[in-house]
Amino acid sequence: QKEVEQNSGPLSVPEGAIASLNCTYSDRGSQSFFWYRQYSGKSPELIMFIYSNGDKEDGRFTAQLNKASQYVSLLIRDSQPSDSATYLCAASPGGFKTIFGAGTRLFVKA
Amino acid sequence: NAGVTQTPKFQVLKTGQSMTLQCAQDMNHNSMYWYRQDPGMGLRLIYYSASEGTTDKGEVPNGYNVSRLNKREFSLRLESAAPSQTSVYFCASSERGADNEQFFGPGTRLTVL
Repeated sequence: QKEVEQNSGPLSVPEGAIASLNCTYSDRGSQSFFWYRQYSGKSPELIMFIYSNGDKEDGRFTAQLNKASQYVSLLIRDSQPSDSATYLCAASPGGFKTIFGAGTRLFVKA
Repeated sequence: NAGVTQTPKFQVLKTGQSMTLQCAQDMNHNSMYWYRQDPGMGLRLIYYSASEGTTDKGEVPNGYNVSRLNKREFSLRLESAAPSQTSVYFCASSERGADNEQFFGPGTRLTVL
């Protein structure tokens, strides 16, 4: 069974702090990795994707990939209350299938 | 552009009833997907359509059927609903395959009594 594992949280950080979200995946054939944000009662929306080992930065968000350790992370700098949501990690081996983690709930305290 | 639209938003069924969930996208995407989301389990792929005219099973296809009516529309049918199918259903589309960003519809909350 191919899996993506995430800590369910909640992860609570103060406003302005760095939030660090992590996930691991079991399928070594995974090639593409995604972070989706999902507000309560809403649909997921993509915030970052990463294909290569290393870091990828986009504004306040940095995605990190380590294929040897089968580990993906998302850093959110200067966290804002509006960042409070569930963050879904996803991995795809290519083709048309994506395995999603169950998500980590993030709460940013004002 | 509306993106991905789904109908209905909410539905309550009795065990054994049938229904069809409708999905349409206006982004000219080739690939479309149906997922279900249950508490603590993340999104699970039910069926997908790589391109117009093709459909394939995902991780949890039992109890469901799909139709890719045209490039825009992809419907999900429950022939005989069961309480285990109580879930939130999301339709998604991508330009081409799972390597691309998937755009999700607003979801359908289905309860089967």
